[in-house]
Amino acid sequence: DGGITQSPKYLFRKEGQNVTLSCEQNLNHDAMYWYRQDPGQGLRLIYYSQIVNDFQKGDIAEGYSVSREKKESFPLTVTSAQKNPTAFYLCASRTGQGRSPLHFGNGTRLTVT
Amino acid sequence: GESVGLHLPTLSVQEGDNSIINCAYSNSASDYFIWYKQESGKGPQFIIDIRSNMDKRQGQRVTVLLNKTVKHLSLQIAATQPGDSAVYFCAENTRYSGNTPLVFGKGTRLSVIA
Repeated sequence: DGGITQSPKYLFRKEGQNVTLSCEQNLNHDAMYWYRQDPGQGLRLIYYSQIVNDFQKGDIAEGYSVSREKKESFPLTVTSAQKNPTAFYLCASRTGQGRSPLHFGNGTRLTVT
Repeated sequence: GESVGLHLPTLSVQEGDNSIINCAYSNSASDYFIWYKQESGKGPQFIIDIRSNMDKRQGQRVTVLLNKTVKHLSLQIAATQPGDSAVYFCAENTRYSGNTPLVFGKGTRLSVIA
């Protein structure tokens, strides 16, 4: 089955540590996205990539970094500079052809204490 | 940006009734709209989409209506079932080239009363 896989589902870290969230897709989609979701809120865009080796900052990129070395993979690193990292992180992708919906993974819940 | 509270708007409906979830958008350049359903602890799931050259689109038990004059989008769910209980988001895309990101609304929680 084609889809987006995010791992792990739950992640716990101590404050001051960097942590990397994995996102892999086998849909052959060109564009990939990272969103953050806080309780009772909508989705806020962190970073997105429209093509391999290129990415753009979203609305809340501070304290995060990404890479896009392969079409299938778009890992997100939450750095120690992110002041409030505890959240639900969602990865998504979509085809590069015209208007099309985002396909989401099932998220990673990160808790930093 | 706008401060968002912890409480989403909630719509409670009886099982078997029809549900209507509304969404307002502000960008007149938006030309593509999507509705998503999100269950607790999961990622958003695509329900239905509509382009700005259409006013209405129907799927299985769902209908999306687009009123460009007042920048309003609605999702109608027929014969609502307990499995429809979730948070529903609308999303919009502007009329620019490339895969510009979708902008998501704040969401509405649908609660189905059995």
